[in-house]
Amino acid sequence: GEDVEQSLFLSVREGDSSVINCTYTDSSSTYLYWYKQEPGAGLQLLTYIFSNMDMKQDQRLTVLLNKKDKHLSLRIADTQTGDSAIYFCAESRGNYGGATNKLIFGTGTLLAVQP
Amino acid sequence: GAVVSQHPSRVICKSGTSVKIECRSLDFQATTMFWYRQFPKQSLMLMATSNEGSKATYEQGVEKDKFLINHASLTLSTLTVTSAHPEDSSFYICSAIPRTGYIYEQYFGPGTRLTVT
Repeated sequence: GEDVEQSLFLSVREGDSSVINCTYTDSSSTYLYWYKQEPGAGLQLLTYIFSNMDMKQDQRLTVLLNKKDKHLSLRIADTQTGDSAIYFCAESRGNYGGATNKLIFGTGTLLAVQP
Repeated sequence: GAVVSQHPSRVICKSGTSVKIECRSLDFQATTMFWYRQFPKQSLMLMATSNEGSKATYEQGVEKDKFLINHASLTLSTLTVTSAHPEDSSFYICSAIPRTGYIYEQYFGPGTRLTVT
């Protein structure tokens, strides 16, 4: 199918780690992304990973990519209340690296951080 | 950093009227802009790809005569919802790719909340 799937909701305590999971369908996707959306706002790119990488770390964020299983995850270390938002994974489809690639977004995961 | 603005941020219109939403790249030139639609608690659905100086490419199922897109300059794309109906009420988000950029440099606007009464 065409869907990019995510679990709908995740609740964690402040200071804990959060892991948000995503499964995608297009094995030819060149880039995979994580976006954050706060209420009533647009999307903020958090990080992206190129499809030939297994892992990417950026400060509190760690992205793991399992191409065989088409599984992507985002780990947020030391989760803060300001991390509460909806997180979308996305895959790019189309010409390799080109500016005409389309983004296909996942269903979104609402992360609730409890103080 | 690259900033994309949208105007208006919220609009309420009556059924049957048309409404125009602007998407501007404020500090960069964008040859490609995208328009997305987001229903409450749902993901973003790509509506169309807008290229400067050419006709927009619409996704399957999106009525091009209803959602008119004009990308008249390298910093401005507009989406006009014609003859709006309540089912067109949604959150519309645009994004832009810098002229020399790749897809991972796609910058999103803050969105426009359209309510059709």
